[in-house]
Order: sequence, then structure tokens, then C-alpha cells
Amino acid sequence: QLQLQESGSGLVRPSQTLSLTCLVSGDSMNSGGFSWNWLRQAPGQGLEWIGCVYHSGRAYYNPSLERRATISVDTSTHSFSLNLTSMTAADTALYFCAKSTGSFFFASWGQGSLVSVSA
Amino acid sequence: EIVLTQSPATLSLSLGERVTLSCRASQNIGNYLGWYQQKPGQAPRLLIYDVSKRAAGVPPRFTGSGSGTDFSLTIDSLEPEDFAIYFCQRRAGWPPMCSFGQGTRLEI
Repeated sequence: QLQLQESGSGLVRPSQTLSLTCLVSGDSMNSGGFSWNWLRQAPGQGLEWIGCVYHSGRAYYNPSLERRATISVDTSTHSFSLNLTSMTAADTALYFCAKSTGSFFFASWGQGSLVSVSA
Repeated sequence: EIVLTQSPATLSLSLGERVTLSCRASQNIGNYLGWYQQKPGQAPRLLIYDVSKRAAGVPPRFTGSGSGTDFSLTIDSLEPEDFAIYFCQRRAGWPPMCSFGQGTRLEI
């Protein structure tokens, strides 16, 4: 059974870089047609897609975050990662990793990692 | 940018009632729409994808419909576990991109 688990910095200083990793178990990351995604949810708000990466390493981003986000994959460690630069209070959110279906909906999610931006 | 608008923001209902949630797109998005359920402290759960296909394990009381710009999620005979927030999501074709509606909260 597929499981995803986020880990990384829970508290980030303003202007610093957020680094999160999603560990994948119970599934091969080399399956074609599926993507590995990062999404976030600010407190009491809706969901925002940050971007995704395929097993080839090719990544795609939400245009609103493209200049700040980098998503990478390491199939040898069964993980993929998010770096988000120039963090501000507006980036405070619960960050989720998720696997897409072939038609780019999200059937499998991690439990979420709470990230706060504060000095 | 295509915007998804969900209405209403909150619905107060009783057990056993039938409810229809609305999701309207600012432009034609074809059949590229899904629905999620989210309970407090949990990740979203995929219910419906490609407008009307139920995800694995989703009960048949959940039905998705619509096309183009107007979409609906209908829940027949509300169960206690159905009281949650529901989000719609659209996906682009290629390159991959998606966005979500702001959600509808179902409260008992």
C-alpha cells in the first residue's frame, strides 16, 4: 500500500529557504504517467498546487510560485523534495505531498507538514 | 487564469438529506474536474475524477456530473461521516497545472 510521509523544517525565518522531503513507500517511483506533487493549504484556506516532478526528473510548477520553487526526485532513496526560497509569512501553511493519478488528480496524500514562517 | 467558484460556502443539513454542491469554472474546462472531501486535521480524499468517475472505495451515494463550466457533486442520504469540507479541482491538459475551488463546508 502506497504511503507518503513529509519531513523537514517546521519553522522558517523570513527570507530563508524551506526544504521538505516526501518519503515514498509501497510503490515504485519509476511508473510512467504518474507525477509526484507538492500542495499546500494556508490556515483555514483552500488548497494550492505548488508543482510536480516525474520520475525522469522533469518538473512543472504553478506559475505563481515558479520563480521560487524547485522540486526534485531521487528514485534511489524513494523520495522527492521541495525547496521554496524567499519565504514570507504568506507561505505559512500545511504542506502536503501527493501522487497524481494518470489524469492528474490526487489519490494518495501524505499527512501534511506544518510550516510556519516567523522571525 | 481559470477560476473555480464553489457555492454555497456553507450548508447546514440533516442526516438522510440529499445535497448538491456546485462548482463553476470561469472558462470551459471540458471534463477535467474532480472533487475531494476533507475532514479536520486530515489530508483531502479524492472522491470523483474526470467529472463522474468514483475513486476507489467511494460509496455510490456520491455522484459527480456536469461539463464545460458547470459541475455538481450530489450526495444522496447524508451519513454522519459526510459532514466535511468539499473542494473541486480542475486540471489543465499539458503542461500539468491545476487549481482548486475555495470549498463548501457541510455542517450538521
